[in-house]
Amino acid sequence: DGGITQSPKYLFRKEGQNVTLSCEQNLNHDAMYWYRQDPGQGLRLIYYSQIVNDFQKGDIAEGYSVSREKKESFPLTVTSAQKNPTAFYLCASSIRRGLSYEQYFGPGTRLTVT
Amino acid sequence: DAKTTQPPSMDCAEGRAANLPCNHSTISGNEYVYWYRQIHSQGPQYIIHGLKNNETNEMASLIITEDRKSSTLILPHATLRDTAVYYCIVRGGSGNTPLVFGKGTRLSVIA
Repeated sequence: DGGITQSPKYLFRKEGQNVTLSCEQNLNHDAMYWYRQDPGQGLRLIYYSQIVNDFQKGDIAEGYSVSREKKESFPLTVTSAQKNPTAFYLCASSIRRGLSYEQYFGPGTRLTVT
Repeated sequence: DAKTTQPPSMDCAEGRAANLPCNHSTISGNEYVYWYRQIHSQGPQYIIHGLKNNETNEMASLIITEDRKSSTLILPHATLRDTAVYYCIVRGGSGNTPLVFGKGTRLSVIA
C-alpha cells in the first residue's frame, strides 16, 4: 500500500445520496488516479490528476467528480447521477523513476448503494 | 483498451516456478512492460517492470523477448500466498499516464 490511505474500507449509502471517498498519500507523488473495479473485472479509470488543481476524465467519468486542491489528497465524489455506483474503488499515485513511472495503489473502498 | 494478451487462468504447484506469459505484439520503442498482481479484495501490488533487458527483484523475474513482442513473469518458488490475478501492462515511458488494465491471468497455486 506504500503510504496511500483510503477511508473507509467499507461504505454504505442509500440511493440518491452523494458520497465522497477519501484518498491521501504521503509519498510526495505528483500524479493520482481513481479506478473502479466490478466483480470479476479489471480496473477501469475514472479520473486522474497529474498536478495540483488539474485533472482529466478517464474512461468512465460520468456520474463522478474529483478535486485536487492539495498534492497529497484526491477525493472522489460519487454523485446520484452514477447509475451503478456499487463497486470497489481504488486510488493510486505514481512517481517517476529514471525514464519510467511506478504506480502504487491504496487498499480500496468497497461502496454499496441500496 | 489494454495492449496485452494474457491467458485467463493458470495453475501452479506450490514450490514450483510459475511462468506467466504475456503478448504485447504492438509495443512501441519507448513503452515499458509492467506487472502487477491483485490478491482478492486488495489493491493491486507492483511487482516489476522492464524495457528490453531482463529484470529481477526480490519478488520475481521478468524475461522480455528480443523483439519485445512478448514477456514472461517468473515467480521462482510459488507459494499459496502467490494466488492472485496477475496483470501485464504496457505503458509509455514519456509521460505519467495512467495504467490501463486488462483482465489479467488468475494464478492458482495448489498445495
